[in-house]
Amino acid sequence: GQQVMQIPQYQHVQEGEDFTTYCNSSTTLSNIQWYKQRPGGHPVFLIQLVKSGEVKKQKRLTFQFGEAKKNSSLHITATQTTDVGTYFCAGREDYKLSFGAGTTVTVRA
Amino acid sequence: ETGVTQTPRHLVMGMTNKKSLKCEQHLGHNAMYWYKQSAKKPLELMFVYSLEERVENNSVPSRFSPECPNSSHLFLHLHTLQPEDSALYLCASSQEVLAEGINEQFFGPGTRLTVL
Repeated sequence: GQQVMQIPQYQHVQEGEDFTTYCNSSTTLSNIQWYKQRPGGHPVFLIQLVKSGEVKKQKRLTFQFGEAKKNSSLHITATQTTDVGTYFCAGREDYKLSFGAGTTVTVRA
Repeated sequence: ETGVTQTPRHLVMGMTNKKSLKCEQHLGHNAMYWYKQSAKKPLELMFVYSLEERVENNSVPSRFSPECPNSSHLFLHLHTLQPEDSALYLCASSQEVLAEGINEQFFGPGTRLTVL
């Protein structure tokens, strides 16, 4: 079955620095979604990417979908304390959304 | 508030108890989902309902029994659970199971379940 791998599992970032989290699927995806879960909270939708090679930006967050539609990345610039949480990618194949294990981000002020 | 509510927020139960988790969505969506979130593991899809019909049972043990009486309500009935079933159970809804365009899932706050 479809598997979605996410790395790194943990990311400790100095405030102001940039970082990237990566997502890889074992199968070709129809689209990929990204969610953020704050500590003690629930996943909240951030964005959906559909097209091969698509790039979308939300302020300091840049999302990319690979040309083969099997991988994706989230890049955050100038990390702030409000960025703490776990970022999940979720790959869609048919009606099933398979979540990666997430990248948990902590920020050092 | 995402428009998806779950009760109770916390539940402690013994292995011989029977309990139910409730989810309600106020978004007019047609699809509802149950997920299990354990520490350090990916979100595991358990059940998918589309217009009250179950379209997915992801090899979930029979001690978990879902019920969807209408498109706004979803229940998860629990009986004779094991300690390894302790987790955060998340309910989610989306416009459709399959949809053109953005088909994001809206999650409820979850029920933190502890099985003793």
